[in-house]
Amino acid sequence: DQQVKQNSPSLSVQEGRISILNCDYTNSMFDYFLWYKKYPAEGPTFLISISSIKDKNEDGRFTVFLNKSAKHLSLHIVPSQPGDSAVYFCAATGGSQGNLIFGKGTKLSVKP
Amino acid sequence: KAGVTQTPRYLIKTRGQQVTLSCSPISGHRSVSWYQQTPGQGLQFLFEYFSETQRNKGNFPGRFSGRQFSNSRSEMNVSTLELGDSALYLCASSWDSRNTEAFFGQGTRLTVV
Repeated sequence: DQQVKQNSPSLSVQEGRISILNCDYTNSMFDYFLWYKKYPAEGPTFLISISSIKDKNEDGRFTVFLNKSAKHLSLHIVPSQPGDSAVYFCAATGGSQGNLIFGKGTKLSVKP
Repeated sequence: KAGVTQTPRYLIKTRGQQVTLSCSPISGHRSVSWYQQTPGQGLQFLFEYFSETQRNKGNFPGRFSGRQFSNSRSEMNVSTLELGDSALYLCASSWDSRNTEAFFGQGTRLTVV
């Protein structure tokens, strides 16, 4: 069973608008969440993270929101740029395990 | 500061052979984790090492093994290769054992024919 789910395989957004990528998790032991961006045939690039003691973290155009009661987090990209087109992965860690559990990714396309 | 380095970048092997992949973490990082990425499956956790000890292992057969050296460099080995082992193998390093900020290498693309 998937502990981290990204239910939208793809998302298309116009340049300059907001991109919202969503992620749900089931394991209440998760206490740290990360977002990665990935281009084909390359390793994922770390974007932003959030601890479960916070509900929001911002870094430039990227903001991550965490709703613990709903076990839901989202990544907002404002404004979206064509260079943001990539696959975005949500990951979680916590409890006794030190490894990251990844969602299956959302492919973002930002159209000029 | 150099990033995570994985070698080789590309590899073609025949079914039944074995392969060893290498990962050099960011200087100062003691945690190294390995992941397999295949189309449609996302990133699947293989194993994690911290200070030369395997702390965690994913749900992969015993043909997949790894180790970490005293300088934190890590290797993973796959024996008796199968066609289904064709994938992008990614290594991530982190300063802490909880991977609260893990950085990935470029990966090794393994093709089994």
